[in-house]
Amino acid sequence: EAGVTQFPSHSVIEKGQTVTLRCDPISGHDNLYWYRRVMGKEIKFLLHFVKESKQDESGMPNNRFLAERTGGTYSTLKVQPAELEDSGVYFCASSQQGSGTEAFFGQGTRLTVV
Amino acid sequence: GESVGLHLPTLSVQEGDNSIINCAYSNSASDYFIWYKQESGKGPQFIIDIRSNMDKRQGQRVTVLLNKTVKHLSLQIAATQPGDSAVYFCAERWPGSYIPTFGRGTSLIVHP
Repeated sequence: EAGVTQFPSHSVIEKGQTVTLRCDPISGHDNLYWYRRVMGKEIKFLLHFVKESKQDESGMPNNRFLAERTGGTYSTLKVQPAELEDSGVYFCASSQQGSGTEAFFGQGTRLTVV
Repeated sequence: GESVGLHLPTLSVQEGDNSIINCAYSNSASDYFIWYKQESGKGPQFIIDIRSNMDKRQGQRVTVLLNKTVKHLSLQIAATQPGDSAVYFCAERWPGSYIPTFGRGTSLIVHP
């Protein structure tokens, strides 16, 4: 069974540019989450999809971040325009329906804004 | 807001020793706790979990202890191996929530 995959694994962009991160969850997982870890700090929740619907986006830092999940399958997280403080590792995770199930994480996308 | 925290950012141990990683959580209503291991270049990997109606749970070489009185969680790793070197995160989940809330992480370094 394929795990959660994220693309790209690394991205270096200039301040003001746009970057789009992609996450392919495990097939059949309705729940999809985005998290971010800034150097040396905790892994912060960004948002949660249930199928194609945003269930909770309370962790999104500002309106420069836009997440979508077309058809309830893969998800994208766009940062536009990117700022220096957006640098970090962005993780995606997915889980099956039901709150008592384990979330599986992708390998993350390391974003560096210069 | 409430958050999960860790007492020690770095823990160094000798191969073969037992390791104990501690975590303090703030939300007394949390009903589910998870320990994750993150190796370099990889995402967090589930190690073991425990529900709030338990105080101890054992896995293969790992044991999680939950003390709800003082809101404390620990991960014990027996006979630590170099492959255990990683950053360990504890996470909590609030009742009815799907979303793990992570703490800062503890870096475990195992010396051969």
